Amino acid sequence: DTAVSQTPKYLVTQMGNDKSIKCEQNLGHDTMYWYKQDSKKFLKIMFSYNNKELIINETVPNRFSPKSPDKAHLNLHINSLELGDSAVYFCASSQELAGHNEQFFGPGTRLTVL
Amino acid sequence: AQSVAQPEDQVNVAEGNPLTVKCTYSVSGNPYLFWYVQYPNRGLQFLLKYITGDNLVKGSYGFEAEFNKSQTSFHLKKPSALVSDSALYFCAVRDSYYTDKLIFGTGTRLQVFP
Repeated sequence: DTAVSQTPKYLVTQMGNDKSIKCEQNLGHDTMYWYKQDSKKFLKIMFSYNNKELIINETVPNRFSPKSPDKAHLNLHINSLELGDSAVYFCASSQELAGHNEQFFGPGTRLTVL
Repeated sequence: AQSVAQPEDQVNVAEGNPLTVKCTYSVSGNPYLFWYVQYPNRGLQFLLKYITGDNLVKGSYGFEAEFNKSQTSFHLKKPSALVSDSALYFCAVRDSYYTDKLIFGTGTRLQVFP
């Protein structure tokens, strides 16, 4: 059983398009995250949600909008895609927001903007 | 502000030899420290964590890490490396004062040669 799943795995699109990435976790966790991993493998948090409430919103362009319809899902919508958005996007979840909980990561979505 | 450093971009080791992947951190409060591994085209997998207690922490796949408060380090170790250990390793820290955010190091690529 997949704990944290993301769709699609690969996404190739043109500049200016709007796209969404979906994430689902079946671990019963309260907290979910989106991370961006760039071409140098640097991993940076973008957003976190706890029980559908936005907790972390890093300095991410507001073209990126997360949506959490319920605590098992956290989707990422990106408007007006730019070349610099090309990266691997990882969804993750943890039992709760407390600092000692490890995070479980999805397999990633490789976004390529042409 | 919290930060974590992995001073080596790559570590090369022969199979059967001991390995060490270095990590140092900086936090305001007490550190919650984590190691994750990323295999090619996969998401991050949790290896081990230090929250409190015994400074030597044992984790998955025979890995262990030693928390050293005076040196602000949390180096990852394994007594005998396997070729299958070759992957990208990330150290991460959460500050007990600011528990919402997990900060990742830049990653260290471990290459184990047969």
